[in-house]
Amino acid sequence: SQQGEEDPQALSIQEGENATMNCSYKTSINNLQWYRQNSGRGLVHLILIRSNEREKHSGRLRVTLDTSKKSSSLLITASRAADTASYFCATANAGNMLTFGGGTRLMVKP
Amino acid sequence: GAVVSQHPSRVICKSGTSVKIECRSLDFQATTMFWYRQFPKQSLMLMATSNEGSKATYEQGVEKDKFLINHASLTLSTLTVTSAHPEDSSFYICSAKQETQYFGPGTRLLVL
Repeated sequence: SQQGEEDPQALSIQEGENATMNCSYKTSINNLQWYRQNSGRGLVHLILIRSNEREKHSGRLRVTLDTSKKSSSLLITASRAADTASYFCATANAGNMLTFGGGTRLMVKP
Repeated sequence: GAVVSQHPSRVICKSGTSVKIECRSLDFQATTMFWYRQFPKQSLMLMATSNEGSKATYEQGVEKDKFLINHASLTLSTLTVTSAHPEDSSFYICSAKQETQYFGPGTRLLVL
């Protein structure tokens, strides 16, 4: 069963704008991961944030984690057309079993 | 980083036939692999956990007799969709577990 819920389900922005996606979950986690998936392709791991971390950066990506609210956000700054994809959050338990959220379909218009 | 491959990448078959999908960890050994299914515009749903040398653990609602999993070595797990029907058409993705999960590129199955 899916633990995570993502918001929004779809997001359309202009190139250069920032894109923010949110993920909420229900149970305790060991870490939370964000993945990207281009249409019909496999998953690309973007970033992992541990339960004792609050914020993490990787290039144009910024991830936050609020364990008290059981939520995380992914911010993509200065978006590019090539960022167009589906983005999924996945929570990992102590055994590293992943449960995926519903995903956000991001469209970046050139 | 760790690489996981899947074969085939795409398969079309007739209803009633069986299809085998392979998942290989290319540069590491994985005692645990996972099989996911993804329908169009939906998220990944875990089907089963494949453990080397033992029986797979299936998620609720996944028929173990229909989706046969074999994890005979530390680098290979196979998923066989038996007597495939059109509703089995989906994108099947495997992952192999090290300190984290590494995902294969997926196999698109179309059952006619």
